[in-house]
Amino acid sequence: GAGVSQTPSNKVTEKGKYVELRCDPISGHTALYWYRQSLGQGPEFLIYFQGTGAADDSGLPNDRFFAVRPEGSVSTLKIQRTERGDSAVYLCASSPSGMEGMAEAFFGQGTRLTVV
Amino acid sequence: AQTVTQSQPEMSVQEAETVTLSCTYDTSENNYYLFWYKQPPSRQMILVIRQEAYKQQNATENRFSVNFQKAAKSFSLKISDSQLGDTAMYFCALINYGQNFVFGPGTRLSVLP
Repeated sequence: GAGVSQTPSNKVTEKGKYVELRCDPISGHTALYWYRQSLGQGPEFLIYFQGTGAADDSGLPNDRFFAVRPEGSVSTLKIQRTERGDSAVYLCASSPSGMEGMAEAFFGQGTRLTVV
Repeated sequence: AQTVTQSQPEMSVQEAETVTLSCTYDTSENNYYLFWYKQPPSRQMILVIRQEAYKQQNATENRFSVNFQKAAKSFSLKISDSQLGDTAMYFCALINYGQNFVFGPGTRLSVLP
């Protein structure tokens, strides 16, 4: 596709439920990033993939959060036993590899997750 | 650890005037990029301008320019001839090679008619 696509655009779920958020990066981009943005704040890092592997998952807040990128393209962020504090916009970005690639990162429009 | 600070939670400017948004950062790396992103209510993070740390010349993009002071670790954004469409949240961000983006807390800019 022409840009980074995130689905769904909005998701409302009940406390305790499981949710999956999808990110479809720009074709050919090897790096993929997930961020969480709470209302009125800057994005906070969750996890960074280089290809299929997680290069840095130090931002995942706890073991309820997990992300995969099995074929090095589409990524899924999975949240188990959702809590109201998980409500936020989840942003995904992708970029080509390498030093110069970092300058070519593009963000998706995000998924707004609301846990009720 | 990398940090990005934006000391102005909110700013306002009259249409057609100039405004400067401040950003300071901290990193121990030599190779990095700095960015200013605009985020309107649509949530889309839109790249405004970027600066390679090894380039001394300040980046410019039409009405947008930066003042990059590497020694002082300062990276301010100047918006000239402000337009109503510039109203948005603005985030300063830093990325080191092989690592993730680090964002500041943002500045809410309002352009007044």
